[in-house]
Amino acid sequence: AQTVTQSQPEMSVQEAETVTLSCTYDTSENNYYLFWYKQPPSRQMILVIRQEAYKQQNATENRFSVNFQKAAKSFSLKISDSQLGDTAMYFCAFMKHRAAGNKLTFGGGTRVLVKP
Amino acid sequence: GAVVSQHPSRVICKSGTSVKIECRSLDFQATTMFWYRQFPKQSLMLMATSNEGSKATYEQGVEKDKFLINHASLTLSTLTVTSAHPEDSSFYICSARAPGQGAIEQYFGPGTRLTVT
Repeated sequence: AQTVTQSQPEMSVQEAETVTLSCTYDTSENNYYLFWYKQPPSRQMILVIRQEAYKQQNATENRFSVNFQKAAKSFSLKISDSQLGDTAMYFCAFMKHRAAGNKLTFGGGTRVLVKP
Repeated sequence: GAVVSQHPSRVICKSGTSVKIECRSLDFQATTMFWYRQFPKQSLMLMATSNEGSKATYEQGVEKDKFLINHASLTLSTLTVTSAHPEDSSFYICSARAPGQGAIEQYFGPGTRLTVT
């Protein structure tokens, strides 16, 4: 079974600064997908970014980028130019490649607080 | 596009009664939907995978007779919590897999807060 670990329960960052969230995972699979989801106070889950394991290039989405280290099984998220609206819980998630049902395994989450 | 709704958003029920939560994909057909449970300040735990026209697949430790899942159409899955108890109080979230062969994205509903008194 896959496990996803987020070692930082909570982080705070000043507005406009950069924050990096860590995520490690354990799997014997070679092909898989990794995701970062954001859950703001509204509780609506929002996809931030995704990475295919077979792609060496790190994914980026505007102010969000990842550092994917496959050998180390590490998948960190960097939020640049932090905005107040980035305050939320962030969950790292793992999905087997093309597995039946496409189940997501979530990490425990990191609460990010952006301070003005 | 790709909107998933849940109804109700909040529900309070008495211990021993049953409550049904609906999950709808509003602008796409979803052959596969997922039900998650989230305790306060915790992560999402997958309860079951719901496939249209077939029985749901439950995760280990989830009581299938207590959490009844029905996926009768391509746009609707329901979760019925039977004989609810206070420990069933939680935030329940559904998601729907994006359409298309090989699709992996999941679109999440806004969640339902269940309180059992």
